[in-house]
Amino acid sequence: GESVGLHLPTLSVQEGDNSIINCAYSNSASDYFIWYKQESGKGPQFIIDIRSNMDKRQGQRVTVLLNKTVKHLSLQIAATQPGDSAVYFCAENRDRGSTLGRLYFGRGTQLTVWP
Amino acid sequence: KAGVTQTPRYLIKTRGQQVTLSCSPISGHRSVSWYQQTPGQGLQFLFEYFSETQRNKGNFPGRFSGRQFSNSRSEMNVSTLELGDSALYLCASREGVMNTEAFFGQGTRLTVV
Repeated sequence: GESVGLHLPTLSVQEGDNSIINCAYSNSASDYFIWYKQESGKGPQFIIDIRSNMDKRQGQRVTVLLNKTVKHLSLQIAATQPGDSAVYFCAENRDRGSTLGRLYFGRGTQLTVWP
Repeated sequence: KAGVTQTPRYLIKTRGQQVTLSCSPISGHRSVSWYQQTPGQGLQFLFEYFSETQRNKGNFPGRFSGRQFSNSRSEMNVSTLELGDSALYLCASREGVMNTEAFFGQGTRLTVV
């Protein structure tokens, strides 16, 4: 039978523009968040992480913002490039206080960068 | 340093069969997690192993099992395969016991026919 596809939010941007990808998380106890990038045929690749005691963290061309009040996470990519085209996932660790955790992934956002 | 290695990359199995997937974590990493990725459900946590012990388990039936060896390599097994088990199975390794960065392998694409 026909498989039900995952309805991914999509974001299309022009090369050189800035991109903002948003993610809502559900558990106020989550203390660690990660953004992953997944290209077709590959496993998720770590981009940047942030702990719940921070509001903002910057990497190379990327910034993650955490708003715990509304349980919202965003990933900002500066000067987006065609190589940034991929599915982006946010993931949260809900096992606060545990030395080992499991990750809960969002549904993902398909970013397409046009030259 | 070599990344996470998963074998095989592709598998085709028949309903009712069983399958074993393998994951070699990054050298020095002792925590291995398994995830199932499907178009309908996205990425879902299966289980996590540390020091040969299962530390966390997701909401999957008992047909899904795993183990970890003393060299941190891990295997997962799915028995009595169903069509719905068709998915990309991903393995991730962590360095240690704290909430550190998880590195993913390229996955094993399992197709059940």
